[in-house]
Amino acid sequence: KAGVTQTPRYLIKTRGQQVTLSCSPISGHRSVSWYQQTPGQGLQFLFEYFSETQRNKGNFPGRFSGRQFSNSRSEMNVSTLELGDSALYLCASSLGTGWNTEAFFGQGTRLTVV
Amino acid sequence: AQSVTQLDSQVPVFEEAPVELRCNYSSSVSVYLFWYVQYPNQGLQLLLKYLSGSTLVESINGFEAEFNKSQTSFHLRKPSVHISDTAEYFCAVSDRGGGSNYKLTFGKGTLLTVNP
Repeated sequence: KAGVTQTPRYLIKTRGQQVTLSCSPISGHRSVSWYQQTPGQGLQFLFEYFSETQRNKGNFPGRFSGRQFSNSRSEMNVSTLELGDSALYLCASSLGTGWNTEAFFGQGTRLTVV
Repeated sequence: AQSVTQLDSQVPVFEEAPVELRCNYSSSVSVYLFWYVQYPNQGLQLLLKYLSGSTLVESINGFEAEFNKSQTSFHLRKPSVHISDTAEYFCAVSDRGGGSNYKLTFGKGTLLTVNP
C-alpha cells in the first residue's frame, strides 16, 4: 500500500511570506503528526491531529498551525516566515489508537527561507 | 516531561566490526521505545520498537536493542556492520498514554559511518 506522501518535496520562500505544506497519510490511518528537523535542534514535535481534532501541540509559536480534513489528509501552515524556519518538515501517520502508535514517516518537505 | 539522550553524535566504524549506539531516556511514566534510521535526503524509517514483553527486540536487517528499565536505556547493537548501514539513527520514546497524547520525543541522533 502507498506510504505517507508529502508535497512539495522542496520549497524556497522569502522572509515574511507564508507557506502551506501537505501530507497524505497511509490509507486507514487517522493520526497525522508533524515534526521539524533542523541541524541545531534536531527533531521537534509540532502537533498531532486525529479525526480532524488537534490532540497535542508542541512548543512552537502561533505562526505554526495545522489542520486535518475528513479524509485524514493534513496541512500545516507557517505564516510570516523567518530565516530560522528553514528546516525539513516531516509528517508521520499512524492508526493513532491504543497500542497502534507506530508512526510511518514521509520523505519530508525541505523548506528554505531566504 | 520526557527526554532522550544519545550519548554519541558520531560513531565511525570499519565494515564487519560490531557497533553499539547508546540511548538513555528519562520519563515519569512508562514508555514505548523506538529506533528510527534516516538515510540522506530521506524521511525516517522504523528500525525496531519495544512495546512490551521481551526486552530484547530485533530488526530484519540484523540490528537488535535491549530495553533496560533499571538503567532507562535502549541501546542499539549490530554484531557486524555493512557499508549500507551508514546513516543517522534516532532513538525515540512515546508515553504509554498513546491514543490521546501521542507524540514522539527524539534524541539528537547518532551518525553511523561505516568505512571499508
